[in-house]
This record gives sequence, C-alpha cells and structure tokens, in this order.
Amino acid sequence: DAKTTQPNSMESNEEEPVHLPCNHSTISGTDYIHWYRQLPSQGPEYVIHGLTSNVNNRMASLAIAEDRKSSTLILHRATLRDAAVYYCILREYAGGTSYGKLTFGQGTILTVHP
Amino acid sequence: GAVVSQHPSWVICKSGTSVKIECRSLDFQATTMFWYRQFPKQSLMLMATSNEGSKATYEQGVEKDKFLINHASLTLSTLTVTSAHPEDSSFYICSASNRGKGNTIYFGEGSWLTVV
Repeated sequence: DAKTTQPNSMESNEEEPVHLPCNHSTISGTDYIHWYRQLPSQGPEYVIHGLTSNVNNRMASLAIAEDRKSSTLILHRATLRDAAVYYCILREYAGGTSYGKLTFGQGTILTVHP
Repeated sequence: GAVVSQHPSWVICKSGTSVKIECRSLDFQATTMFWYRQFPKQSLMLMATSNEGSKATYEQGVEKDKFLINHASLTLSTLTVTSAHPEDSSFYICSASNRGKGNTIYFGEGSWLTVV
C-alpha cells in the first residue's frame, strides 16, 4: 500500500481556517485520497475523498496537487467539535466494484483553541 | 444515511470465555465489511476483511481461529473473540463498504472489550 505522511499535530483557533497537509509521493494512478477523522472512543468518521480534482462537501474541502503527490484537507472555519485525529489514507481502485481496504497511519492530532 | 452500528458498545468478560461483537449496516447492504482493533493512543489496525457468504481474509499476524468472523447476511457481520485473554482487551471497530455511495467505507461506533 502506498504510504502517506502527515504532521503529528497541529493547532488552530476557533473560527479560523485549518489546512491539514498530507504527502503521498508514491501514489499510483488508481489510488483515491481519503480523509477520515476520529474523536476519542469513537469510530472514524468519513470526511471527504478525491482522485484528481479538488472536492468540496459540507464538512470540508480537499485540494489535490497537480502531480497528486500531496493533498490538503481544508476546514473553512474550525469549531471545537473539529478537534480530532485526522487520517489521510490512500485507497486503491482495482476496477469495476473492486476497491482496496483502508490502512490507517498515525494521523494528525488537531487541537482547536477557543 | 450510511449508518453502521455495533453492539455491544462495551463488554467485560472473564479470561477464557468468548465474546461476540455484532456489526450492522442499518440503511444499506454491505457486501464487504472490515474489522479493526485499536489500542490506546495508537492507530487502527486492520484485522480482517469479510465478504458476505464467503470466508474472511485475515491480515498477517491475526489468528483466524481466535478471531472468528462471520458475514452471514448483507447487513450483519460478527466478530467472536474466542478464549479471550487480558491482552485481547482493546477497542474493536467495524466498517462497511456502501456500494450505493461509491463504495465509501463507513465505520461503526466501536466496541470496548475488557478481559479480566
């Protein structure tokens, strides 16, 4: 599985934008970039995913570099409820309905200050 | 939508006994489910992938006879920890692939297992 590299931790202030980086220099052409977040003692929550183009949803935006070797998860206005561990994961697409599994790294611990 | 539910949320069992954890996809059919375990302050570790109607595929180092996985229907997978020992105490999390949402994977709330 192609690996991702994320900073161990980041801090933000409430109501400010947060940019969470992820490096994936060995990404293959069939790998989707997924982001999940996990609050303490809960299962991970799906945030967003993309392949080549930038993506937006109600939770966040995903900016993908042109060479796809890095991506950034953008939380437009951080709230205290956004404090969590954020995981950037590459998921292989093998064609048809065949997708790979999610292999979690260490993620980024996001702290949001009031 | 895309809700995955686990039961029980937490369980305490005696050493040597077996315990079953259920994972249900509540509003979609999941042909593929995944089981993870997570120790405190660590990341999730994939244990196995289960496909409805077939045997689970276990990750390297995971004992299939100790962690029995059954995926009997499109909405239910179970993990049974057999002959549990204190070192099996962990947070167990299931997830399910929702084909209706581009095979996006959704996770359950997790189940805390404490073996005493």
